[in-house]
Amino acid sequence: ELKVEQNPLFLSMQEGKNYTIYCNYSTTSDRLYWYRQDPGKSLESLFVLLSNGAVKQEGRLMASLDTKARLSTLHITAAVHDLSATYFCADGQRSQGNLIFGKGTKLSVKP
Amino acid sequence: DAGITQSPRHKVTETGTPVTLRCHQTENHRYMYWYRQDPGHGLRLIHYSYGVKDTDKGEVSDGYSVSRSKTEDFLLTLESATSSQTSVYFCAISGSSVETQYFGPGTRLLVL
Repeated sequence: ELKVEQNPLFLSMQEGKNYTIYCNYSTTSDRLYWYRQDPGKSLESLFVLLSNGAVKQEGRLMASLDTKARLSTLHITAAVHDLSATYFCADGQRSQGNLIFGKGTKLSVKP
Repeated sequence: DAGITQSPRHKVTETGTPVTLRCHQTENHRYMYWYRQDPGHGLRLIHYSYGVKDTDKGEVSDGYSVSRSKTEDFLLTLESATSSQTSVYFCAISGSSVETQYFGPGTRLLVL
């Protein structure tokens, strides 16, 4: 069964702290995508990782991909309240760009 | 923002009635996808299209059909709505099978 597992599913952080969200996937994929979703809103693309060792950074977020370990991480540096959202990773191994999504990590950053 | 609209944005219907959701894009992207989002399940692919009149099933396609007669429009039809199809439906587009997908605003469907 093709699956994507994120952990933790819920994360409560204090502002200024660092944390990492983990995304394990079951395929041999070298394509991994990260999205953000605010409550009641659509999904926004954050990162596209297309090869082993790929690292992308945007502001306080950094994503990486280790295809040998079938693991992607989303690292949050010095969290701020505006980062509160649900973060999804998705495996792009299937044909025609079909994505397998994880269940999401709901992040809450508190003052 | 990618030019994607979905209509209607909200709909309440009764069990057994047909429902059609529309996804319209202005980006001329080849790939279009329909997902449903339910608490505890993340997003699950219903159907997708890789070109005009080229469609295929996703992982939760039972009870749904699609059509794509023009590049810009992708229709999702619930032939006979059931309460289990109450969900938020998202359309997504992509220029290739590798590029990221851009999501529409979503349609909230309640089947009573």
